[in-house]
Amino acid sequence: AQRVTQPEKLLSVFKGAPVELKCNYSYSGSPELFWYVQYSRQRLQLLLRHISRESIKGFTADLNKGETSFHLKKPFAQEEDSAMYYCALSGAGGYQKVTFGTGTKLQVIP
Amino acid sequence: EPEVTQTPSHQVTQMGQEVILRCVPISNHLYFYWYRQILGQKVEFLVSFYNNEISEKSEIFDDQFSVERPDGSNFTLKIRSTKLEDSAMYFCASIEGSGALYEQYFGPGTRLTVT
Repeated sequence: AQRVTQPEKLLSVFKGAPVELKCNYSYSGSPELFWYVQYSRQRLQLLLRHISRESIKGFTADLNKGETSFHLKKPFAQEEDSAMYYCALSGAGGYQKVTFGTGTKLQVIP
Repeated sequence: EPEVTQTPSHQVTQMGQEVILRCVPISNHLYFYWYRQILGQKVEFLVSFYNNEISEKSEIFDDQFSVERPDGSNFTLKIRSTKLEDSAMYFCASIEGSGALYEQYFGPGTRLTVT
């Protein structure tokens, strides 16, 4: 069974502080890992995917297969980063369902 | 930029009634999905649809649920006889279907309230 675990429901940090949103997964095989973000009153949107190895809005995430983790990091939080963040996975190969974690609400305190 | 749209944004219905939730995926997309999120819980996969048939469905997607692509643009989710526990946010998503970097584009959701 595939599962995504986000241990923190809420993470509060001060503006300018580093951010790390934790994500662990369980999947037999090689999954695709994603981070989705949902800003207030907006739709879910893809933030980044592990396969692209990119940095979006200053966020990065490294896939650690040994620890089955895909933590999201940003060195300096901005107020506009406040949102719900969902870690997610799907099977390799493209068009499979996405399994989401329960989400972490990031609150950046000015 | 093209977006997935969903109507209505909020639907209130009585237990036992049928509801149809509508989605218009991005026009050149080929793969379609429904997810739901019960308040306070995670987003859960319901069903995926490709080439006019269901490609995968979850345990949640029982005989009370059905999906249809009645024309070239709409993608609908029907709940035949709603229950209180069907109250949730329902999200539609679509994927283009070409290229290596597939991405599921989500609609804004329909909030279904069953009373």
